[in-house]
Amino acid sequence: EVQLLESGGGLVQPGGSLRLSCAASGFTFSSYAMSWVRQAPGKGLEWVSSISGSGVATHYADSVKGRFTVSRDNSKNTLSLQMNSLRAEDTAVYYCAKHGPQWLFDYWGQGTLVTVSS
Amino acid sequence: EIVMTQSPATLSVSPGERATLSCRASQSVSSNLAWYQQKPGQAPRLLIYGASTRATDIPARFSGSGSGTEFTLTISSLQSEDFAVYYCQQYNNWPLTFGGGTKVEIK
Repeated sequence: EVQLLESGGGLVQPGGSLRLSCAASGFTFSSYAMSWVRQAPGKGLEWVSSISGSGVATHYADSVKGRFTVSRDNSKNTLSLQMNSLRAEDTAVYYCAKHGPQWLFDYWGQGTLVTVSS
Repeated sequence: EIVMTQSPATLSVSPGERATLSCRASQSVSSNLAWYQQKPGQAPRLLIYGASTRATDIPARFSGSGSGTEFTLTISSLQSEDFAVYYCQQYNNWPLTFGGGTKVEIK
């Protein structure tokens, strides 16, 4: 059974940093691309960043480019998102999601809430 | 960026009735279109990919159609557990983009 468990969310001041993690199990982690998708309170889904199975290729939404860094440790089956220079508009539930054979999201974690506020 | 537009924003349907949800892409995404269901307080769940292929364990009452720029999700006979928000997503081009969602509510 595929399981994705996010952690690391919390309250942070504007301009601050936070690191999210996602522990994966139930599949061959290194074989699949992974992503972070966020959802602001009461709003829709917004793709944030993706990383290939090997970790060589990464993609970012324009809204986070230069501030967020996605990475993975295939030896520990862990996906990470380093978030710097956080803004109020980054407040959201952040979901870790696994990709299937293409860039669709076939499994999702339960999410971790990030609140950026003074 | 490919903009995904879903309509209607809210759909009021009685249990047992048919629901038809639309998703339009600002440019062709071929058949690289997925549908997700999200219930309150839960993560999204994959329903349909490749515009028309049901994901694992998805009931046959859910069906998808379309290609290019126009797509439809049909729920043939709404069950109580189907009242939720539905999102479409294109995965043909970067950035990956979602529609704004359609909320299916009880009439």
